[in-house]
Amino acid sequence: AQSVTQPDIHITVSEGASLELRCNYSYGATPYLFWYVQSPGQGLQLLLKYFSGDTLVQGIKGFEAEFKRSQSSFNLRKPSVHWSDAAEYFCAVGFVEYGNKLVFGAGTILRVKS
Amino acid sequence: EPEVTQTPSHQVTQMGQEVILRCVPISNHLYFYWYRQILGQKVEFLVSFYNNEISEKSEIFDDQFSVERPDGSNFTLKIRSTKLEDSAMYFCASTLGENTEAFFGQGTRLTVV
Repeated sequence: AQSVTQPDIHITVSEGASLELRCNYSYGATPYLFWYVQSPGQGLQLLLKYFSGDTLVQGIKGFEAEFKRSQSSFNLRKPSVHWSDAAEYFCAVGFVEYGNKLVFGAGTILRVKS
Repeated sequence: EPEVTQTPSHQVTQMGQEVILRCVPISNHLYFYWYRQILGQKVEFLVSFYNNEISEKSEIFDDQFSVERPDGSNFTLKIRSTKLEDSAMYFCASTLGENTEAFFGQGTRLTVV
C-alpha cells in the first residue's frame, strides 16, 4: 500500500536556525506532493505543492521543498525559523495511479526555542 | 480567495446518536473528500465523491458512514450510530479536477460521549 513516512515525530530548533523536515513516500511512479501546516485545534494550511516541473518549489512563509525522485523524498526546508513557525507539519502525497486521495504522513511537531 | 467551509466547528453527541457534518466545497470544484484525524494521529482518507457517487472509500468508511450532495452546494457526511472511537477532527476537502490541489476546510471536531 502507498505510505508516507515522516521519520521525525518532534523537532526542536532555535529561533533563527535553519530547518529541514523529512518526508519519504513509497510506491507510485507519478506522485504529487504537498506540505501542510496545522496549528493546535486548527485546520490544514497548504504551505507548498509539487506536481511537475522544477523540483525545487517555493511556498508561503519562506518555506521551500525539493522533490528528489531517486530518493522518493520531498523534504521541507526553511533557512531561518521564526517562533511563529511552531506547529505540526504534515507531508501528503497523491499518486496518479491510485486515484485522487491523499496519503498523509504522521506529522512532525516543530518546537522553536528562543 | 475561495474556501471550503465546514459546519459546525464543534459537535458533541451521545454514543449511538446520528450526526451530520456539513461542508460547502469551492463552487466550481468537482471532487469532494472527507478525511478524519483522531487526536494525536495522522490524517486519514475516508471517502471521495465525484459525479454524485462515491469514487473511492477506505476501510474506515463502513456501513455506519454515508455521504451525500443534497443540493448544488452542500456535501455532507452522516454517521448513523456514533461510537466513542468516532471522536476525531473531520476535514472536508475539494479539488477542481483529478490530481489537483486539495483545499481543506477548517474541520469539525466531533466528540462522542
